[in-house]
Amino acid sequence: NAGVTQTPKFRILKIGQSMTLQCTQDMNHNYMYWYRQDPGMGLKLIYYSVGAGITDKGEVPNGYNVSRSTTEDFPLRLELAAPSQTSVYFCASSEGQAYNEQFFGPGTRLTVL
Amino acid sequence: EDQVTQSPEALRLQEGESSSLNCSYTVSGLRGLFWYRQDPGKGPEFLFTLYSAGEEKEKERLKATLTKKESFLHITAPKPEDSATYLCAVQASVPGNTPFVFGKGTRLSVIA
Repeated sequence: NAGVTQTPKFRILKIGQSMTLQCTQDMNHNYMYWYRQDPGMGLKLIYYSVGAGITDKGEVPNGYNVSRSTTEDFPLRLELAAPSQTSVYFCASSEGQAYNEQFFGPGTRLTVL
Repeated sequence: EDQVTQSPEALRLQEGESSSLNCSYTVSGLRGLFWYRQDPGKGPEFLFTLYSAGEEKEKERLKATLTKKESFLHITAPKPEDSATYLCAVQASVPGNTPFVFGKGTRLSVIA
């Protein structure tokens, strides 16, 4: 199993550009999550999904959108990128939510200039 | 509001010098407390889950313990390869979907 994969690994955007961060998991997990991690800060939850077709906001959803059309994929869309969105983005998945560990991808390092 | 505070922010140890990392939490009923290890440039890697006060779990040189207000990650005779950032997260025991709340982490450096 590849686990959780993310693409791209690095990206530089100009202010106002848009992009989609891709996340795929091959563990047949129902739950998937998007976090951002800023230097010296903890992981902040952006959006999460409890199954295909179902998504919900986390702690910091503004400026982002998600969709979940399949169990495997959970893309994160940035519209009108801003410098405040410069961060490292991690996707994670878990079998359930209660009592279950989350498996993390390798991250996408995004810079908005 | 659920909160997680980790201390110290950074810790520098000599190889073989045992120590402990602290995770203090405030949560409306604890469903689970999780410890992760994160190496530079990588995603967090799961270490332990603790569910109730008094519980302990061990893995190689690491032992995690839990009380009603905090958790400790004890590192015995650390080696340079234990250098990493250690993250603590909690999940509240309330109805519905309750995402994890992460602390800022403790950055551990073990010097040979």
